[in-house]
Amino acid sequence: AQSVTQLDSHVSVSEGTPVLLRCNYSSSYSPSLFWYVQHPNKGLQLLLKYTSAATLVKGINGFEAEFKKSETSFHLTKPSAHMSDAAEYFCVVSDPPNTGNQFYFGTGTSLTVIP
Amino acid sequence: EAGVTQFPSHSVIEKGQTVTLRCDPISGHDNLYWYRRVMGKEIKFLLHFVKESKQDESGMPNNRFLAERTGGTYSTLKVQPAELEDSGVYFCASSHSRTEAFFGQGTRLTVV
Repeated sequence: AQSVTQLDSHVSVSEGTPVLLRCNYSSSYSPSLFWYVQHPNKGLQLLLKYTSAATLVKGINGFEAEFKKSETSFHLTKPSAHMSDAAEYFCVVSDPPNTGNQFYFGTGTSLTVIP
Repeated sequence: EAGVTQFPSHSVIEKGQTVTLRCDPISGHDNLYWYRRVMGKEIKFLLHFVKESKQDESGMPNNRFLAERTGGTYSTLKVQPAELEDSGVYFCASSHSRTEAFFGQGTRLTVV
């Protein structure tokens, strides 16, 4: 069975400091993994995706994530937080890989950026 | 290119009433998904269409929920009769290659 665990429900960082949002997954397959972001009153926007190519994935707005199979992790990072990064972030695993029948979501991490 | 569009953005109905949510996917996307987030919990899968056919409806909570996708274009999700526990945000998504899903802004349903 596939599942996703986002280890922090809330993260607060100061503007200009690094962001780390943690995600661990379990999957019976080699998974496809995604990070989505939801700003208030907006839809879910794809930040980045891993589909068995390079393990370090670069996304939009300076975000990146590294797939670590040995740790079953796909943590999202950004070197320097911006006020506009304040939003809710979802880690997602797709099962089976590249078929997209179902996307399993984590519970979300709410990111607050302090001026 | 227009994104996934959902109507209405908000709906408040009384328990026992009927509500119909609509999703217009991105043109040309054969795959259409419905998801639901209840009370700040995780976003959960409801069902998946490939064109007009239901590929997987294992996530539909009960027979008060009916989804259709006539002609393989837009989809509707009807809740009849609505119960308090149906309150939440209903997301629709579409995809072409099945490696990435594009989501709408969601419909916030409140049952009172």
